[in-house]
Amino acid sequence: GQQVMQIPQYQHVQEGEDFTTYCNSSTTLSNIQWYKQRPGGHPVFLIQLVKSGEVKKQKRLTFQFGEAKKNSSLHITATQTTDVGTYFCALGGAQKLVFGQGTRLTINP
Amino acid sequence: EPEVTQTPSHQVTQMGQEVILRCVPISNHLYFYWYRQILGQKVEFLVSFYNNEISEKSEIFDDQFSVERPDGSNFTLKIRSTKLEDSAMYFCASSEGTGGGNQPQHFGDGTRLSIL
Repeated sequence: GQQVMQIPQYQHVQEGEDFTTYCNSSTTLSNIQWYKQRPGGHPVFLIQLVKSGEVKKQKRLTFQFGEAKKNSSLHITATQTTDVGTYFCALGGAQKLVFGQGTRLTINP
Repeated sequence: EPEVTQTPSHQVTQMGQEVILRCVPISNHLYFYWYRQILGQKVEFLVSFYNNEISEKSEIFDDQFSVERPDGSNFTLKIRSTKLEDSAMYFCASSEGTGGGNQPQHFGDGTRLSIL
């Protein structure tokens, strides 16, 4: 079945620095979703990307879907301590989500 | 904002025993899911459920597992004869509309299952 590779596995930054996580697939994706999971919490939907080359912004978060629809990225500008957590990309299949490994973001205040 | 609720929050069970994890999906949602997450690892799909039947299941979801919607609100996951490796956080999720995998999914807080 479809799988997605997500890197890096961990990222530690100073507060105020930027952060980026990447997801890559060997096959063309119909869509990709991003979720955030706070420590001890559950995944929370952030956004869905569907169109080739799509870029969406939510305040300091910028989401991109590659032109070939095989990769996606999430970029956070000027991180804050509230951004701590694990960010997962997930492939939206017919009846399920296939999650990437996640990038765990920790922040030094 | 409506949310998915799961009970219990933590379940401790002896190996070989049966457990039932309970979920109340968001009321107007049509698709229901179970996922599990072993500590520190990614979220893994177990099963999806639509129109009172399983629509897709993963390799993890073997004969040990079953799901049921016993009434109009609850959605349950039963694990028969639990094994040590079943210890994980189990998340229930639901989504609205058609094409379940292409809709945002709303997750409950999870049930932490510990098998002794």
